[in-house]
Amino acid sequence: QKEVEQDPGPLSVPEGAIVSLNCTYSNSAFQYFMWYRQYSRKGPELLMYTYSSGNKEDGRFTAQVDKSSKYISLFIRDSQPSDSATYLCAMSPPLTTSGSARQLTFGSGTQLTVLP
Amino acid sequence: DAGVIQSPRHEVTEMGQEVTLRCKPISGHDYLFWYRQTMMRGLELLIYFNNNVPIDDSGMPEDRFSAKMPNASFSTLKIQPSEPRDSAVYFCASSASVLGANYGYTFGSGTRLTVV
Repeated sequence: QKEVEQDPGPLSVPEGAIVSLNCTYSNSAFQYFMWYRQYSRKGPELLMYTYSSGNKEDGRFTAQVDKSSKYISLFIRDSQPSDSATYLCAMSPPLTTSGSARQLTFGSGTQLTVLP
Repeated sequence: DAGVIQSPRHEVTEMGQEVTLRCKPISGHDYLFWYRQTMMRGLELLIYFNNNVPIDDSGMPEDRFSAKMPNASFSTLKIQPSEPRDSAVYFCASSASVLGANYGYTFGSGTRLTVV
């Protein structure tokens, strides 16, 4: 079993829909949770960052972390064709020193298409 | 800041040839990561450096792969000899250490390698 599981999709929605993207994980030590967006033929770019549990909102995007269920979500409201991309979740355990490992564990990514 | 710069963007080479991929991290970042991305396996961490020192190379697939970081502003990933199964997109990413926190990576645009 992978440490981080993510449904690869593809997911196709009409413009204006609410999109829900999810990841589950098995390592209870994970404390930092991120979502990256990757457009076709581009590198992943950091979209949302959350520490520990709770919600974080940035414009049309909301990231949720439920550590008790080991489940994280990314919600996109009023989805736009420009949101069409692959979304990757990533996470890491807490870091106790500046020299310690900061390796992120990535999900496999969910391919999203928003149809105009 | 110009971000993480990778070169070349595309590389097509014949099986058996040596391939060198290059990366310039963001100035001030002390961590540098090399990833490989394929449809089948997603993002795979190959190796990462901290302050120019290789920390973990357990993801390097074979002795044909080698990576160096001679200074804080330059790293190379070399494949010799190359094989068709090495065809993938290779990403370089960098990050800055913050005591006790992980704010994610900044990725380059990648090098698309095709070995024929």
